[in-house]
Amino acid sequence: DVVLTQTPVSLSVTLGDQASISCRSSQSLVYSDGNTYLKWYLQKPGQSPQLLIYEVSNRFSGVPDRFIGSGSGTDFTLKISRVEPEDLGVYYCFQATHDPPTFGGGTKLELK
Amino acid sequence: EVQLVETGGGLVQPGNSLKLSCATSGFTFSTAWMNWIRQTPGKRLEWLAQIEDKSNNYFISYLESVKGRFTISRDDSKSSVYLQMNNLKEEDTAIYYCTWAGLYWGQGVMVTVSS
Repeated sequence: DVVLTQTPVSLSVTLGDQASISCRSSQSLVYSDGNTYLKWYLQKPGQSPQLLIYEVSNRFSGVPDRFIGSGSGTDFTLKISRVEPEDLGVYYCFQATHDPPTFGGGTKLELK
Repeated sequence: EVQLVETGGGLVQPGNSLKLSCATSGFTFSTAWMNWIRQTPGKRLEWLAQIEDKSNNYFISYLESVKGRFTISRDDSKSSVYLQMNNLKEEDTAIYYCTWAGLYWGQGVMVTVSS
């Protein structure tokens, strides 16, 4: 199975700072159709995960433009510019290029 | 508004069975690919199963470790998806979520397997 390694495991930030989370895959996530099926989710405390980014860099409906996904092949990054209180929680990357689909271990974003 | 509501969780003894249901609304269920995903007590997320739509012959795929014990199904007339779980083990203890292709998730339902 594809292993997604997220770093850091936890990240302490000041409101208004930029945050950056890395997701590294054990295999290339480029599918045979040329697309890369890498998503990012945020799970706020007490809630279900919510989709932020799909196919590496596309923001889902209603997601603010301070969330920026990038990367290719095996290395991906989620950047959050100007962290706001509602951005706190656990971030997960997820790949659906290879079977079975797998999640990263999560990165907890908290206030310094 | 898209809604997914899971029901059917609870406390069961090892070896017993449980059937989870997920009732949906707010989107065209008949063309939706539906998934079940669980979150362990340690917060690890694990994809379990997917069922595609009629145009894809309701193709089903499973995580290898639950194949043969878990069965995903759907009823397009009720806009619902199900997860039948047999021979439950303590390591199946988790919150179970249904999702519409990973885009929208239900609130989850707790399943505890313990004697």
